[in-house]
Amino acid sequence: DAGVIQSPRHEVTEMGQEVTLRCKPISGHNSLFWYRQTMMRGLELLIYFNNNVPIDDSGMPEDRFSAKMPNASFSTLKIQPSEPRDSAVYFCASSSQRSGGQYFGPGTRLTVT
Amino acid sequence: KQEVTQIPAALSVPEGENLVLNCSFTDSAIYNLQWFRQDPGKGLTSLLLIQSSQREQTSGRLNASLDKSSGRSTLYIAASQPGDSATYLCAVLYSGGGADGLTFGKGTHLIIQP
Repeated sequence: DAGVIQSPRHEVTEMGQEVTLRCKPISGHNSLFWYRQTMMRGLELLIYFNNNVPIDDSGMPEDRFSAKMPNASFSTLKIQPSEPRDSAVYFCASSSQRSGGQYFGPGTRLTVT
Repeated sequence: KQEVTQIPAALSVPEGENLVLNCSFTDSAIYNLQWFRQDPGKGLTSLLLIQSSQREQTSGRLNASLDKSSGRSTLYIAASQPGDSATYLCAVLYSGGGADGLTFGKGTHLIIQP
């Protein structure tokens, strides 16, 4: 079975540009999570969805960040406008139930110059 | 604020040794605890998942224990191999209503010397 799929794997962009990260969760999983990993802060939850509905977006750093989940098999995380401090690895994870643990995608390494 | 701490931050041992990685958490009201492995430039691979009602889980050479009352978990790796070199992350899912995001430690960077 395919795991969590993320695209692109690497993204280099200039400050001020819009960035869109994409995620396809594991089929049948009804919860989807976006995390960000930096050297300074480690892994932090940005937002998560349950049955396509955003439940907790308290980790989204600023209004420049937005996330959508239009259907059960696709989610996007958008940064507009991007800034150098947004450079990080962004992970998407999914789960089928709380007791089942979370499964992570390979991540998108974002570099904003 | 819930916090997860991993000690040591880095560890280097010769091949063949048994070793223990430590994880502590500040709030004992957890739902479950998950250990992950992360290779450089890669994603997270789930190693073991322990529910709050369980004391330990085993998979091959790996054994994870959980002591909720003391807020601790350990990951035991038996007969370490160079291929075990990676960063090991501990993550806690708290029981709070609607709080389904994992809280991660900063990880233990493990090097197994051939």
